[in-house]
Amino acid sequence: QLQLQGSGPGLVKPSETLSLSCSVSGGSVGSPYYWAWIRQPPGKGLEWIGSPYYGGPTYYNPSLKSRVTISVDTTKNQFSLKMTSVTAADTAVYYCARGFEIAVLNYWGQGIPVTVSS
Amino acid sequence: SSELTQDPAVSVALGQTVRITCQGDSLRTSYATWYQQKPGQAPVLAIHGKNNRPSGIPDRFSGSRSGNTASLTITGAQAEDEADYYCNSWDSTIDHVVFGGGTKLTVL
Repeated sequence: QLQLQGSGPGLVKPSETLSLSCSVSGGSVGSPYYWAWIRQPPGKGLEWIGSPYYGGPTYYNPSLKSRVTISVDTTKNQFSLKMTSVTAADTAVYYCARGFEIAVLNYWGQGIPVTVSS
Repeated sequence: SSELTQDPAVSVALGQTVRITCQGDSLRTSYATWYQQKPGQAPVLAIHGKNNRPSGIPDRFSGSRSGNTASLTITGAQAEDEADYYCNSWDSTIDHVVFGGGTKLTVL
């Protein structure tokens, strides 16, 4: 059974870079699936951040593309999110997920709560 | 437009049928995917494609599409179906995934 375990700092200062990782067990990030980052601000809805496809392109939300990089590390069997110049608006629960289509996400991690505050 | 629109809240009496809708231009060319999210939990895939349910999703959940509107129907709603429901789809005009704002379902 595939499991996704997200990790990263729970508190980030404004203007700094947010770095999160998602470790994959029970499967390989090198397999032909879409890997995704999604976030959910407190009390609000889901927002797609981006999705890499191993050996293919990485798609990003246009509204975040200038600040976001998603990478896949097959040696560690994980994928990562870096978001630069964070503000309070980036405070959210960040989910990592896997899908067999880019918009069909059938495995989700537990969510990483991140607060941007000084 | 790259948006998907959902009603913020819907209620249904226990055992009755409820339809949750999702509207957007991307749905003319892409099927909606539906997720169920309960408080404090990660979303769970409920319906994908034309009308496909992952294992573990009760058969009272079904999906459909007409024009630019997708629907999630729960036939015989149960108390455990009370949750937030989100639709999403792939928007091929700008190559990105878009989510609806979510619908909070209350089972009375």
